[in-house]
Amino acid sequence: EIGLTQSPATLSLSPGDRATLSCRASQSVEKYLAWYQQKPGQAPRLLISDASNRATGIPARFSGSGSGTDFTLTISSLEPEDFAVYYCLERHSWPLSSFGPGTRLEIK
Amino acid sequence: EVHLAESGGGLVQPGGSLRLSCTASGFTFGDYAMHWVRQAPGKGLEWISMISNDGHSTYYAGSLKGRFTISRDNKRNSLYLESSTLRIEDTAIYFCAQVVRGYASHWGQGTLVTVSP
Repeated sequence: EIGLTQSPATLSLSPGDRATLSCRASQSVEKYLAWYQQKPGQAPRLLISDASNRATGIPARFSGSGSGTDFTLTISSLEPEDFAVYYCLERHSWPLSSFGPGTRLEIK
Repeated sequence: EVHLAESGGGLVQPGGSLRLSCTASGFTFGDYAMHWVRQAPGKGLEWISMISNDGHSTYYAGSLKGRFTISRDNKRNSLYLESSTLRIEDTAIYFCAQVVRGYASHWGQGTLVTVSP
């Protein structure tokens, strides 16, 4: 079973800052990694699939990179609505999936 | 527009059972695999199960296999999750999600299951 770790657990930044979130897999997942955003009381929203493909309607300030075991979600300039929890998910184990523990992005 | 609506949550005693439903609209339901994902209060997301578009193949997280059963009725545009011998640690919001190119793409708003004496 592939394990995912995310760092940092909490990231404190200000609007306008650049955010860099990390997801690491215990073994290679090739490109098969997604990022989700979840706000309190809401369902998760798909941001990025296959490591770097932005989902429909996702602003260009969100970008994903990486392959193998190390992946990054970058938010180039934080907007107030970007403060949320972010999860990575691997589907290399298809049809099984697993989520990372999440990174909480909070306002500094 | 894709819309998914979960229902069937509520309060259940430990050892009890429950059947959750997810009603889909806005897309051809029978063309897509579907996931169930859950989230315990204040915790992260946990993938539970996936069913193929035709319902012939089902998959479960290893820790949950045997206690949960996923199924679907494509004529009714509905997805189901049945659980037996519920435990307190099964308390969570249960989400259904449409699988697009291997990923949970569109999600419902979830239904809360509380397992408590």
